[in-house]
Amino acid sequence: GDSVTQMEGPVTLSEEAFLTINCTYTATGYPSLFWYVQYPGEGLQLLLKATKADDKGSNKGFEATYRKETTSFHLEKGSVQVSDSAVYFCALSNDYKLSFGAGTTVTVRA
Amino acid sequence: EAEVAQSPRYKITEKSQAVAFWCDPISGHATLYWYRQILGQGPELLVQFQDESVVDDSQLPKDRFSAERLKGVDSTLKIQPAELGDSAMYLCASSHSSGGTNTGELFFGEGSRLTVL
Repeated sequence: GDSVTQMEGPVTLSEEAFLTINCTYTATGYPSLFWYVQYPGEGLQLLLKATKADDKGSNKGFEATYRKETTSFHLEKGSVQVSDSAVYFCALSNDYKLSFGAGTTVTVRA
Repeated sequence: EAEVAQSPRYKITEKSQAVAFWCDPISGHATLYWYRQILGQGPELLVQFQDESVVDDSQLPKDRFSAERLKGVDSTLKIQPAELGDSAMYLCASSHSSGGTNTGELFFGEGSRLTVL
């Protein structure tokens, strides 16, 4: 079945550091790929998405590119802020069924 | 901004008791999902509704869990009897799905945190 594997955390960074969270997937067909974020005390919310190979999703300074050849969708941000501290989930969608990775906790220190 | 509403936010119960969670999706969203998120893990789908019909409940422990969406709007998830291993966050989500469009964007509520003692 479909599955998502993402980099284990926790990840602790200083402000303005570069962030990468690796995500790889296994799926049949042509899934859509997503990054969801969960800020402390809040519900999950969509951060960015890509619906086909080579698409780049971007939002709030975060980017991820749908790489079919490596079945990857790594999340990157060039300069993180304290407000980026959250749990990040990679996910894929096939036929409206959304499968999540285990999540990566990111803490950004001032 | 429209939101997915869930209640209660927190529930503490003793094992063998019954517990119920309620979800009101964003108006007009035909697809509703219940996920369970155990601490330190990603959400796992329990049940998916399209309008009032169940389209996927393959991961729902049907001996103790039940879910309904009688009028195709709000939904209730019930656990009876609760067990210690049911302690988790129960998330409701909805999406505006249209046939053949695999957008996969879900809108989540804040969740209901269950603690079973």
